[in-house]
Amino acid sequence: GIQVEQSPPDLILQEGANSTLRCNFSDSVNNLQWFHQNPWGQLINLFYIPSGTKQNGRLSATTVATERYSLLYISSSQTTDSGVYFCAVGDTDKLIFGTGTRLQVFP
Amino acid sequence: DAMVIQNPRYQVTQFGKPVTLSCSQTLNHNVMYWYQQKSSQAPKLLFHYYDKDFNNEADTPDNFQSRRPNTSFCFLDIRSPGLGDAAMYLCATSRGGFGSGIQETQYFGPGTRLLVL
Repeated sequence: GIQVEQSPPDLILQEGANSTLRCNFSDSVNNLQWFHQNPWGQLINLFYIPSGTKQNGRLSATTVATERYSLLYISSSQTTDSGVYFCAVGDTDKLIFGTGTRLQVFP
Repeated sequence: DAMVIQNPRYQVTQFGKPVTLSCSQTLNHNVMYWYQQKSSQAPKLLFHYYDKDFNNEADTPDNFQSRRPNTSFCFLDIRSPGLGDAAMYLCATSRGGFGSGIQETQYFGPGTRLLVL
């Protein structure tokens, strides 16, 4: 099955800093989503982005499907950005989640 | 607001005592999913329904069952919970499943954290 790896596994930032999270996947996919899991466990969908670039406020994402990777950019980070960021890719009839990046943003 | 609702948010059960977790949605989505997430791990799909069609993952233990009586509700039944079943259980929905040719965003509920004593 498809393997999904994320890097870095952990990231510590000071408020206001920018960051880039990476997701590599081992095979072609037709569905890729980025999620944020807050400290209370709620998973929030950030982007549905099987290819191309999207932006939503301080967040943007780019997927280069031919090279099998996706990037999530967080600019001017805030403490509320803390949590775990998951990349998930669509393989036939299910989403396969990556290993996650745990982000901590300090004031 | 349209949403995915899970009850209860926390559930404590005894070893071997059957437990049922519930999920409801107001999105009128065709597909409902159940995931298990253990501490510091990624969510793992247990099964999903496309309308009334049930799709079980090959490695989902027989101890886990699901029911979808109508479009809005889906239940997860754990027949004989073991200590290893303690986890967060997440329900999600999407408008169309992958087999439908509609690749859609998944929307998650807040989860039910299960503790087995």
